[in-house]
Amino acid sequence: GAVVSQHPSRVICKSGTSVKIECRSLDFQATTMFWYRQFPKQSLMLMATSNEGSKATYEQGVEKDKFLINHASLTLSTLTVTSAHPEDSSFYICSASSNSLNTEAFFGQGTRLTVV
Amino acid sequence: DAKTTQPTSMDCAEGRAANLPCNHSTISGNEYVYWYRQIHSQGPQYIIHGLKNNETNEMASLIITEDRKSSTLILPHATLRDTAVYYCIVGLGQAGTALIFGKGTTLSVSS
Repeated sequence: GAVVSQHPSRVICKSGTSVKIECRSLDFQATTMFWYRQFPKQSLMLMATSNEGSKATYEQGVEKDKFLINHASLTLSTLTVTSAHPEDSSFYICSASSNSLNTEAFFGQGTRLTVV
Repeated sequence: DAKTTQPTSMDCAEGRAANLPCNHSTISGNEYVYWYRQIHSQGPQYIIHGLKNNETNEMASLIITEDRKSSTLILPHATLRDTAVYYCIVGLGQAGTALIFGKGTTLSVSS
């Protein structure tokens, strides 16, 4: 299947700092990328949907000014957690889909964020 | 909200078939059934999907009932590496539509 790569896989940051997570589609053009968050022992929760060249659409309860999403190209989307706090510590996962692929979406390997 | 119901957990002996059920009684005519799995601390891995007909690939088989209100994922010969959380998801299969995850089934394969 198609490959989606996330970077970094793990990051530790201090409270109040910002962290950027990258999501790349390596062998296809991702017209849409999705960002999820997963807390321990819970399922994936959709945070936002981003289409290349457009502003992201955020799910209810997700602060757009805190979780900045940029999807400037068909192969790259970034999620920036601004002014991170310990409660933002979580597993962040991106997925990508394309009009040229079959109907399934492909997921990155996830980024474990720990805010200390 | 997720449109599927799955058992919380299941056990399976190594080498035996693992049959994971899923109920999706409110599925619409144009919605697909997707199965993904998530091994601890990794991103979800696509397994299989179907619309009406049964499907088989190198990983698994998907059996969808005629009324499409339920389905079963079959891992024909489970191995220890198949221990994971398995998610059954109903979705439109369009590039701009997100997959909404339920709680999934934790499958434990033991020797």
